[in-house]
Amino acid sequence: GAGVSQTPSNKVTEKGKYVELRCDPISGHTALYWYRQSLGQGPEFLIYFQGTGAADDSGLPNDRFFAVRPEGSVSTLKIQRTERGDSAVYLCASSLGPVFSYEQYFGPGTRLTVT
Amino acid sequence: AQTVTQSQPEMSVQEAETVTLSCTYDTSESDYYLFWYKQPPSRQMILVIRQEAYKQQNATENRFSVNFQKAAKSFSLKISDSQLGDAAMYFCAFLNTGNQFYFGTGTSLTVIP
Repeated sequence: GAGVSQTPSNKVTEKGKYVELRCDPISGHTALYWYRQSLGQGPEFLIYFQGTGAADDSGLPNDRFFAVRPEGSVSTLKIQRTERGDSAVYLCASSLGPVFSYEQYFGPGTRLTVT
Repeated sequence: AQTVTQSQPEMSVQEAETVTLSCTYDTSESDYYLFWYKQPPSRQMILVIRQEAYKQQNATENRFSVNFQKAAKSFSLKISDSQLGDAAMYFCAFLNTGNQFYFGTGTSLTVIP
């Protein structure tokens, strides 16, 4: 079956612009995570969805970042007024349920470059 | 907050030999989970092995095994009979009961033919 997919694979935008990053989880997976991976670092937790609701958004760095999952499947990470410091790989992962019980599957990520 | 430390930015191993990657973590929680993930150049993170903190027995998955020392807060990964396909970045990760993951900074493993 299909794995987690993320689009676009690469995105270049100018400072100050708005971007949307999309994540298509594995069908039937209720849990969905977003992470940010800066160069030379490990992934950093951003937000966790269980179904349609954000169960934990404590990792979002500021109010320029927002994520939705309106139907409990596809999720979109939205970044307003992008800054050069937002440049990173944004990873999405999904699992059948809580990750302490179920394996988490990662997508290939979206590399965001803010010029 | 939890922290995960990987003190070896780079490691290398001869093909067919054994290598151990180190990881330490800091937490005040007693119930948690530990993971090793592999990230090849394709960027897609792949689960290598997981360990529940309440289990004393070290997890093993084929050529991969861990040495989990709860009191020392240490969680090292041993790769036996190293293969060329094992070359990748390896990340140690901590999961708390609040479903928050914390990752280390990674160890880049090179396998020498």
